[in-house]
Amino acid sequence: QVQLQESGPGLVKPSQTLSLTCTVSGGSISSGSYYWSWIRQPAGKGLEWIGRIYTSGSTNYNPSLKSRVTISVDTSKNQFSLKLSSVTAADTAVYYCARVVPWGGYYYMDVWGKGTTVTVSS
Amino acid sequence: SYELTQPPSVSVSPGQTARITCSGDALPKQYAYWYQQKPGQAPVLVIYKDSERPSGIPERFSGSSSGTTVTLTISGVQAEDEADYYCQSADSSGTYDVVFGGGTKLTVL
Repeated sequence: QVQLQESGPGLVKPSQTLSLTCTVSGGSISSGSYYWSWIRQPAGKGLEWIGRIYTSGSTNYNPSLKSRVTISVDTSKNQFSLKLSSVTAADTAVYYCARVVPWGGYYYMDVWGKGTTVTVSS
Repeated sequence: SYELTQPPSVSVSPGQTARITCSGDALPKQYAYWYQQKPGQAPVLVIYKDSERPSGIPERFSGSSSGTTVTLTISGVQAEDEADYYCQSADSSGTYDVVFGGGTKLTVL
């Protein structure tokens, strides 16, 4: 059974770049037709989709974050990564990685990591 | 941007039926998905493509769609169903192809 695990610094200074990695275990990141996504959730608030990537490197981003987000994939390590630049306190959140099922132009997340908390503070 | 609207909270007694709604202009043309999130845990998919249930999800969870509103129904609610529930869908243009509703806190009285 596929499992996802987020990793990265829990504290990032304002204006710096947040970097997280999601490691996929129990299956190859390249198998099937899955995409791979990042979602975040500020404390006490709702979910916000950040973006997704296919193993070919093709990406789609939330328009509201697009200018600051880069998602990449490393199939040799069975990992995909998130970089969010110029962070502010508003980027403080729990960050989740997830597997994305594409179906006829629709996308939904069927497997999620446990999440990792990132705080933006000096 | 595109918005999906959910009621902030729904309360129900054990054994009763809970209905959580999600409204959006594009829902007649787009599928909806539902996630359950318990405190301190990651979301779990409970309904996909409006009304399909993933394996391992109890039969008491069901979904339906009517016009611009989709509904998650939990029949015979149990204490363990107390959680936040989020709908997810997309706008009709494809610009916003993953959008979450604001979430609904289900309280089991």
